[in-house]
Amino acid sequence: DTGVSQNPRHKITKRGQNVTFRCDPISEHNRLYWYRQTLGQGPEFLTYFQNEAQLEKSRLLSDRFSAERPKGSFSTLEIQRTEQGDSAMYLCASSPNLLASLSTDTQYFGPGTRLTVL
Amino acid sequence: AQTVTQSQPEMSVQEAETVTLSCTYDTSESDYYLFWYKQPPSRQMILVIRQEAYKQQNATENRFSVNFQKAAKSFSLKISDSQLGDAAMYFCAYYPSYGKLTFGQGTILTVHP
Repeated sequence: DTGVSQNPRHKITKRGQNVTFRCDPISEHNRLYWYRQTLGQGPEFLTYFQNEAQLEKSRLLSDRFSAERPKGSFSTLEIQRTEQGDSAMYLCASSPNLLASLSTDTQYFGPGTRLTVL
Repeated sequence: AQTVTQSQPEMSVQEAETVTLSCTYDTSESDYYLFWYKQPPSRQMILVIRQEAYKQQNATENRFSVNFQKAAKSFSLKISDSQLGDAAMYFCAYYPSYGKLTFGQGTILTVHP
């Protein structure tokens, strides 16, 4: 078990470009979450998946953002036409879903992808 | 909507001393979980401790313990015998048994040698 991994760790892009981030969850974790964290603030929820199904999306996730988890394993987060306000740390977390009736469990975070939009 | 408030933007403690970080939350749910996460500078978020709301007993993990007051919706973290490696941003987080974590604004903890 190597933990949650995210790639790339850093991304610098110019305004208007598209970027894509990847998250590999802990093996056999069927829930995967994306959060955004700006400097000095707590993470804010963006979206989450159970297996390949995207179950919830935040209002923060504008139509320029899209997330996928096609085979229920790794996930990608794409931002189209980036804006300077998109500069942030994008965190991925995963958790097991041990029992359907007790769906609460601990989320384990990856190191994040720091996006800088120039 | 659930909210989590950490009223202490910064705290400091002397090495080997004890410090308490405060957290309050607002929810209408009866079943939920509360977490404290630690985020060292430029490093990833690490789970410190978790508390199930249905348990009356306060959670403890080595030098870390919580004071969970469900009626008051308060969830403080006590760090005993503080170490230099405890220096980090600490986040309180609420989890309603489904979906997302809601985080507080964080408390920066400085440990003085």
